[in-house]
Amino acid sequence: EADIYQTPRYLVIGTGKKITLECSQTMGHDKMYWYQQDPGMELHLIHYSYGVNSTEKGDLSSESTVSRIRTEHFPLTLESARPSHTSQYLCASSEGQGVNGYTFGSGTRLTVV
Amino acid sequence: GENVGLHLPTLSVQEGDNSIINCAYSNSASDYFIWYKQESGKGPQFIIDIRSNMDKRQGQRVTVLLNKTVKHLSLQIAATQPGDSAVYFCAEIHWGGTASKLTFGTGTRLQVTL
Repeated sequence: EADIYQTPRYLVIGTGKKITLECSQTMGHDKMYWYQQDPGMELHLIHYSYGVNSTEKGDLSSESTVSRIRTEHFPLTLESARPSHTSQYLCASSEGQGVNGYTFGSGTRLTVV
Repeated sequence: GENVGLHLPTLSVQEGDNSIINCAYSNSASDYFIWYKQESGKGPQFIIDIRSNMDKRQGQRVTVLLNKTVKHLSLQIAATQPGDSAVYFCAEIHWGGTASKLTFGTGTRLQVTL
């Protein structure tokens, strides 16, 4: 049973709209991550956080932004969605140095039309 | 830069046979390796892990082998079942301070045929 939740699961939105993808975890993990994944492809790290008020950009450049005001919450925002943002977005969390790996949410599949 | 990659994008296996999924990594300093399974429409799920000071670890129906000499990791699934159909990712991490993060490979799709 996953203790990390993402909403919405699916989102279809028009170009230019502002959207926020929600991610919450109940495990008390200090580290959280956002990955972007096209169907059947590898995961690309776009943002991560090592704790409250800590956010860093990942390996893949992204026009999205994140915030970490509370330990359990790590939302991702796109100020102006574009078709190129169509993808699956996966949130994950880990404890410490990731000794037991990352726990992933079920993802949000975003389609921008 | 350092990367983790998989040899084959798709592997077809008959139900009941054993599956072997391979992964090559390039960071010789990697400390820890994980195999994830991702079913359609879901996030990756942890299957099994192995630390760099080991060369083999077994779980339920799964075995991970690590060959540090050639920087190769494999996942063996015994008696493959239809429920094993998924994309499998290897991932590695080097614990070099607070910046340590998992690096994921490309993924291999396992198709189980009846």
